[in-house]
Order: sequence, then structure tokens, then C-alpha cells
Amino acid sequence: GDSVTQMEGPVTLSEEAFLTINCTYTATGYPSLFWYVQYPGEGLQLLLKATKADDKGSNKGFEATYRKETTSFHLEKGSVQVSDSAVYFCALSPANQGAQKLVFGQGTRLTINP
Amino acid sequence: EPEVTQTPSHQVTQMGQEVILRCVPISNHLYFYWYRQILGQKVEFLVSFYNNEISEKSEIFDDQFSVERPDGSNFTLKIRSTKLEDSAMYFCASNRGMTNEKLFFGSGTQLSVL
Repeated sequence: GDSVTQMEGPVTLSEEAFLTINCTYTATGYPSLFWYVQYPGEGLQLLLKATKADDKGSNKGFEATYRKETTSFHLEKGSVQVSDSAVYFCALSPANQGAQKLVFGQGTRLTINP
Repeated sequence: EPEVTQTPSHQVTQMGQEVILRCVPISNHLYFYWYRQILGQKVEFLVSFYNNEISEKSEIFDDQFSVERPDGSNFTLKIRSTKLEDSAMYFCASNRGMTNEKLFFGSGTQLSVL
């Protein structure tokens, strides 16, 4: 079945450091790919998405590119801030689905120190 | 931005007891979902609900689970006879059901079965 694998956490960085959180997937066809973020005490919220190969999703300085050839959707940010501390989830939605039956990775906890 | 609200935020129950987790989805949304996350594991899809019936469910969603939209605003998840392994964070979500539309998640109910 479909699956998502994220790099193990927790990840701790200093402010202004470069961030990469790796995400790879296994799926049939062309799924849609998402990054969700969960700030402390809040629900998951969509950070960015890409719905077809070579699409780049971006939001709040974060970017991820849908790479079909490597089945990857790595999350990057050039200069992180303390406010980026959160848990980040990579997810896919299988192709041709109406309802959003998301398949999630295990989440990566990110802590940014000032 | 409109929010999905969940109550209670924490629920403690004895094994074998029935629990009802409550959610108020966003008012103009048509699809409703429950996901759960057992501590240290991935967020998992449980069930989707549309037009007053289950549209899809996972193999986790067995006869011990049921969902209901008892009125125009609430969406509930009932666990008939809780087991220790039902201890998890339960997330409610909703959306309008458009292709690749994001899910709006609540902040979750932490269920502890003793």
C-alpha cells in the first residue's frame, strides 16, 4: 500500500540555519503531496502542497519540490526562526481520490534555538 | 480563519467504557474525517463521512467504532468498549471535498484508556 517515510527527529537547529527535512513516498500513480505543520497546542495545518511532478509548493519561506524520479518531497527553508519550532508531517493523497484519505509520515519535531 | 473545534481536549476512561469524542466542523464543509495518532506512531486515517454516511473507512475502524452527525453542527466518534490500545490523540478534520483541497484539523482529543 501507499506509504510515506520522513527523516527521524527530533531536529535541533540554531536560528538562521538551513533546514532540510527529508520525505520519500511509495504510491501507485501520481499522488498529491503535502506538508502539514503542528504548532504546540494546535491542530495540523497545511503548510504547502504539490499536485503533480516537478511542481514546487512554497509558503512562509518553506519550499518542497515534487520529484517523481526519486519519489521525494523534501522540505527546505533557507533561514529558520524560533517560531518555526513545531512538528512537521509529510503526507500524500492517493491519486483520483475525492475525500482526503491522507497517508502521513511519522512527523519530525523541529526545535529552533535562538 | 474558521476553525474545527474538538471537545474535550483530554479524556480519561476505564477499559471497557464507552467514550464519545465531539467535533464541530467548519460550517460550510461537507466532508468530515477522523484521524488518530498513537504516541510515537504515524497519524492514521480512520474514517470519512459525507452526506450522512461513511464514505470510506480504514481497517482500524471496526465494529467498536461509529460516527454520527446528530445535528447540523456536531460530528462525533464513539468507541463502544474502549481497549488500552485505543489510547491515542484523535483528530477531527473537515473540508468541502474538492480535489486536493486541504484538510482543516482540530487540535485533537487526547484519549487515555486505563
